[in-house]
Amino acid sequence: AQTVTQSQPEMSVQEAETVTLSCTYDTSESNYYLFWYKQPPSRQMILVIRQEAYKQQNATENRFSVNFQKAAKSFSLKISDSQLGDTAMYFCAFMNNNAGNMLTFGGGTRLMVKP
Amino acid sequence: DGGITQSPKYLFRKEGQNVTLSCEQNLNHDAMYWYRQDPGQGLRLIYYSQIVNDFQKGDIAEGYSVSREKKESFPLTVTSAQKNPTAFYLCASSVSGTTYEQYFGPGTRLTVT
Repeated sequence: AQTVTQSQPEMSVQEAETVTLSCTYDTSESNYYLFWYKQPPSRQMILVIRQEAYKQQNATENRFSVNFQKAAKSFSLKISDSQLGDTAMYFCAFMNNNAGNMLTFGGGTRLMVKP
Repeated sequence: DGGITQSPKYLFRKEGQNVTLSCEQNLNHDAMYWYRQDPGQGLRLIYYSQIVNDFQKGDIAEGYSVSREKKESFPLTVTSAQKNPTAFYLCASSVSGTTYEQYFGPGTRLTVT
């Protein structure tokens, strides 16, 4: 079974600054996918970014980028130019494409962006 | 607009009663999922279905049941056997057989007293 660990329960950052959220995972699989989801106070889960394990290049989506270290089983999310609307819970998730596309989630990091 | 709807947003029940949570999608997705979220925690998989008339247990299926009679619908019943039913329930769907992301509904907050 896979496990996903987010070691930072809460973080804060000043508006316009950069913040990095950590995620580590444990798996014996070689083909898998990793995701970061955002859950704002509305509680709607929103996909932030997606990384295929077979790709060496780190995924980027505008102000969001990841640092994927496959050997270390690490998948951190960097948010640049933080905005007040980035305040939310952030969940790291693992998908084994041999197991029915099920997602295994980490416990989440609560991010507060301060003005 | 394509999307996933869950109703109602808030649901209150007395202990010992079964309750059914609705999940409907018009994204033409084959796969659908139910997750449970407890305060300050991540999501845990209850049940999932890759195709109509077929579904599998997730990590915490005890005390829950589902049906998948239509592609668009995947209702979840929280039975009286579920020891701790108060939680936030999220439904999701995805294109089956791929590793595309799951799309989530707005969730239902169930409170059992």
